[in-house]
Amino acid sequence: SAVISQKPSRDICQRGTSLTIQCQVDSQVTMMFWYRQQPGQSLTLIATANQGSEATYESGFVIDKFPISRPNLTFSTLTVSNMSPEDSSIYLCSVEALGAYEQYFGPGTRLTVT
Amino acid sequence: AQTVTQSQPEMSVQEAETVTLSCTYDTSESDYYLFWYKQPPSRQMILVIRQEAYKQQNATENRFSVNFQKAAKSFSLKISDSQLGDAAMYFCAYVSGSARQLTFGSGTQLTVLP
Repeated sequence: SAVISQKPSRDICQRGTSLTIQCQVDSQVTMMFWYRQQPGQSLTLIATANQGSEATYESGFVIDKFPISRPNLTFSTLTVSNMSPEDSSIYLCSVEALGAYEQYFGPGTRLTVT
Repeated sequence: AQTVTQSQPEMSVQEAETVTLSCTYDTSESDYYLFWYKQPPSRQMILVIRQEAYKQQNATENRFSVNFQKAAKSFSLKISDSQLGDAAMYFCAYVSGSARQLTFGSGTQLTVLP
């Protein structure tokens, strides 16, 4: 399985500001995913990030609010823009295992917006 | 759209006993995969077990096994000889062979009683 790291692990931000979350993988992967987990809830897919193409966003998520970059096969960033308290969540990145369908997850970023 | 349902928000089990967590799903696809993930308080998502829909044999991983009933669209997780370290939120997840995005259930919080 891949080893995935995320930075920062947690942050407290003021409303109206933006935060960029980094996701680093120890091997090259084709598909990376970004999820949001609101307090006490399950995981919801924000977008799929493939290298060399625009991210594909799920219903209810837009690029202006959650811009994503995928500059190479081992790295991606998710920015949460113009934050409000409703954005307080855990944000997780994941990668698809090569030749399989399961995903492996990073440790998550706990974001609190005040 | 695919849906995954976990009808047990909370479960508890005595240490060393056996517990079964339920999951049902709805899909019109024939090529898909099912997973159980564990999320302890550290919030790290850990893959517990996977099941390919085309396989009739139920998957097992040490103390963890599944009961996959394809016609009933049921996918339950059995944990044998429960340990304190098994305490976590357990998520059932589905992915189709074509779409590649995971769909999660709402989760079951498992408590292991000493």
